Amino acid sequence: GAVVSQHPSRVICKSGTSVKIECRSLDFQATTMFWYRQFPKKSLMLMATSNEGSKATYEQGVEKDKFLINHASLTLSTLTVTSAHPEDSSFYICSARDPWVDEKLFFGSGTQLSVL
Amino acid sequence: SQQGEEDPQALSIQEGENATMNCSYKTSINNLQWYRQNSGRGLVHLILIRSNEREKHSGRLRVTLDTSKKSSSLLITASRAADTASYFCATRNAGGTSYGKLTFGQGTILTVHP
Repeated sequence: GAVVSQHPSRVICKSGTSVKIECRSLDFQATTMFWYRQFPKKSLMLMATSNEGSKATYEQGVEKDKFLINHASLTLSTLTVTSAHPEDSSFYICSARDPWVDEKLFFGSGTQLSVL
Repeated sequence: SQQGEEDPQALSIQEGENATMNCSYKTSINNLQWYRQNSGRGLVHLILIRSNEREKHSGRLRVTLDTSKKSSSLLITASRAADTASYFCATRNAGGTSYGKLTFGQGTILTVHP
């Protein structure tokens, strides 16, 4: 099956710094990727839809200047948490849609961000 | 917004027993999918059922869909300790503008005791 690689798997940073998370589709081209945030024992909250070659579409309430998304190629999307604060600490997961497989999504293994 | 509501929120069973999880949703859907998440990991797709289907099987998994009640159930038969995970339903809304965008339910935490 299709593989989505996400890294880093865990990052600890100081308040005020920026953190970049990468999401790569390894064996397919992903025109669309999705970024989620998940709190412990909670569901996934969609943050934004990342479209290759165009601006990301953010969900209501998600600050686009805070969470920068870049989808410069068909196999790579990045999420940058800018000027991170402790309240940004969370589990971030990406997913990608393989246009040839269509309906189901393939997920990365997630990134646990801890902001001190 | 999360439209999927799942119950139970947590389920604890013995190995060999069956596990049933339910999911309800509010809007018209194109399809409903079930995913599994091991602790601290990403999600893995289990099974997809389309709005015009009523039941689907895959190995030890059985999914039903009742569009009149806007609900679905996931049955895992002969459970194993390795089935311990969180299970989420996800819906793709009919007529949605964002292709592939899914709305996830709150999840059921399943614990299978050996």
